[in-house]
Amino acid sequence: DVKVTQSSRYLVKRTGEKVFLECVQDMDHENMFWYRQDPGLGLRLIYFSYDVKMKEKGDIPEGYSVSREKKERFSLILESASTNQTSMYLCASTSGGQWGLSIDTQYFGPGTRLTVL
Amino acid sequence: DAKTTQPPSMDCAEGRAANLPCNHSTISGNEYVYWYRQIHSQGPQYIIHGLKNNETNEMASLIITEDRKSSTLILPHATLRDTAVYYCIVRVYGSGNTGKLIFGQGTTLQVKP
Repeated sequence: DVKVTQSSRYLVKRTGEKVFLECVQDMDHENMFWYRQDPGLGLRLIYFSYDVKMKEKGDIPEGYSVSREKKERFSLILESASTNQTSMYLCASTSGGQWGLSIDTQYFGPGTRLTVL
Repeated sequence: DAKTTQPPSMDCAEGRAANLPCNHSTISGNEYVYWYRQIHSQGPQYIIHGLKNNETNEMASLIITEDRKSSTLILPHATLRDTAVYYCIVRVYGSGNTGKLIFGQGTTLQVKP
C-alpha cells in the first residue's frame, strides 16, 4: 500500500520561528510536491522537486524554501513564520522523471495544519 | 492552462448515482482530465483520469464528451462515506514535464441518508 507521511498533523508556532515540515514517501517516486490549502483558494503549489537536490518554484514560493537530500524525503521550510502562513500544508508524490510524460497519479499525505500565532 | 468550472455543491441520496459535472472548454489535445476527492481533514485522493475515452474503475466512471469540453464523474451507488469535495483537474505540463496539478474550488458532494 502506497504511503506518504507527514511529520505532524497539527503544529502551532510563533511569529518569527523557523519551521520545518517533513514529508516522506515509500514509493520510490521521483517527483514530490508541497501545496498549501486555504478556504476559498483551493490548493496552491509552493515548490516541487523532480529529483534529489533539484527543486522548482511553484505558484507561491515566497517565504518558503525546500530541501531534497534523499529521494524519499522532501522538506518544506518556513524561514521566519508569519501569521499569513497559517494554513493546511499537503505533500504529494508521483512517479516519472523530469523529461517523461508523467501522467501518473499524485499521492497525498494526510496534511499538516499549521497555526502561526 | 486549461481551467475547469464545477458547481460549488450538490446533494445525492444514499444508494443513488451521483453525477458530478465539469466544464473544461479550453482543454488542449494532450491534456488529461483527472478527478480527485478530499474527505474532510484528509489529503486529496485520486479517483480516475481520462483523455478522450470513457473510463471506469472500482471507484467511479468518467464520461468525457466527444469535443472534450466537459466531463462527468459518476459514482454509481453513493454512500455516506463519499461525502467529500470533488476536484476536476486538467493536467498541465509544467517545467520539466513534472505534471503540476491545478486544483480549483471543487464540488462539495453531500450524500444524505
